[in-house]
Amino acid sequence: GAGVSQSPSNKVTEKGKDVELRCDPISGHTALYWYRQSLGQGLEFLIYFQGNSAPDKSGLPSDRFSAERTGGSVSTLTIQRTQQEDSAVYLCASSIGVGQPQHFGDGTRLSIL
Amino acid sequence: AQSVTQLDSQVPVFEEAPVELRCNYSSSVSVYLFWYVQYPNQGLQLLLKYLSGSTLVKGINGFEAEFNKSQTSFHLRKPSVHISDTAEYFCAVSDLRGGATNKLIFGTGTLLAVQP
Repeated sequence: GAGVSQSPSNKVTEKGKDVELRCDPISGHTALYWYRQSLGQGLEFLIYFQGNSAPDKSGLPSDRFSAERTGGSVSTLTIQRTQQEDSAVYLCASSIGVGQPQHFGDGTRLSIL
Repeated sequence: AQSVTQLDSQVPVFEEAPVELRCNYSSSVSVYLFWYVQYPNQGLQLLLKYLSGSTLVKGINGFEAEFNKSQTSFHLRKPSVHISDTAEYFCAVSDLRGGATNKLIFGTGTLLAVQP
């Protein structure tokens, strides 16, 4: 079956612009996670969605970052007023439930000029 | 807070030689442990997981890992590596405390470089 799908695969934008990154989880997976992978910080947790529960936003680095998950499926990560330090690979993962292995997409490589 | 240590940033090894990639985690509370592999320009692929039961866990591509609670370690091993095993390997932990989101805490990764 289809895996986790992320789009776009690459995004180049100017500093100060807003960007939206999309994640389509595996069908039937109730848990969805966003992570960021950068040279300086490694792999960091950003946000977690589980069913209809309130998301865990504890990993978001600033209020410029937000995410939503519509209908318990597709998720969008939005970064407003991008800064150069936002340049990273943004990875989405989904799992069938809490505690179960997470399956990752190929990521979106974001470059801020 | 939970943390994961991968002491070796890079491990060079010759083809068909055995390899061990080390991983230690900080907490003594119940945890789930994972190893993921990342090939260039790709996402993370699950190699193996420890949730409970036998401390020796077998994964894909001939890899295995052993959970050692007293040493808080989860080292990854393969008896004979191939050129195609060249990739970045990440150890990760999620804790099982009530209310935890089971988010993954990752180590900094180990680049396995297999040479002919």
